[in-house]
Amino acid sequence: QVYLVQSGAEVKEPGASVRVSCKASGYSFSNYGTTWVRQVPGQGLEWMGWIHPNNGNTDSAQSLQGRISMTADTSTGTAYMDLSSLGFEDTAVYYCARGSPWVESGNQHYYMDVWGEGTAVTVSS
Amino acid sequence: QSVVTQPPSASGTPGQRVTISCSGSNSNIGSQNVNWYQQLPGMAPKLLIHTNDQRASGVPDRFSGSKSGTSASLAISGLQSEDEADYYCATWDGSLGDPVFGGGTKLTVL
Repeated sequence: QVYLVQSGAEVKEPGASVRVSCKASGYSFSNYGTTWVRQVPGQGLEWMGWIHPNNGNTDSAQSLQGRISMTADTSTGTAYMDLSSLGFEDTAVYYCARGSPWVESGNQHYYMDVWGEGTAVTVSS
Repeated sequence: QSVVTQPPSASGTPGQRVTISCSGSNSNIGSQNVNWYQQLPGMAPKLLIHTNDQRASGVPDRFSGSKSGTSASLAISGLQSEDEADYYCATWDGSLGDPVFGGGTKLTVL
């Protein structure tokens, strides 16, 4: 079946960087984009960005530009999200999900149909 | 503060029909598709409805989505205890040039 497996929990100091990985199984990784979404404890979902492994195209939230980097390794079917200059406000659960925008019949579509289990990132001094 | 607004909470009794609203503007819901996600306690989100009214694979037909103008709704009929979860609408915002999530609605089954 189709699923995404994420890397384990991380604890980082302020100012450090974190890398979260997301390994895809059960589908052709290169044919689908990977989206990253995070959730601060007790709060809602925040879109972070997406990458399409087929061409390496990315887009990220303006609030994170300059700090986020997304890459994809098609040989292993794994997507990576790097976030730098961590602050306490970056403490959250980070999710990867299958999906990226596409246009059909002049309409834009974008939804995430398969989700990873989440990776908790704690920023603490 | 999201550009699309959901009520923070909703409730219903088993068997009832409940609706959750998602209100936006012409730059988002009024011109873009809407999707709905369910997040059970302690779990990852799950796609329920995509492209306004299309149920995702395996989603019971008790769940339905609709859109009119700058608002969208998720309806759950025959409410069950396992439907107790957070529900999020999501769409694209043309002004921001990014996708946006609603703030989420916590559904309680009484």
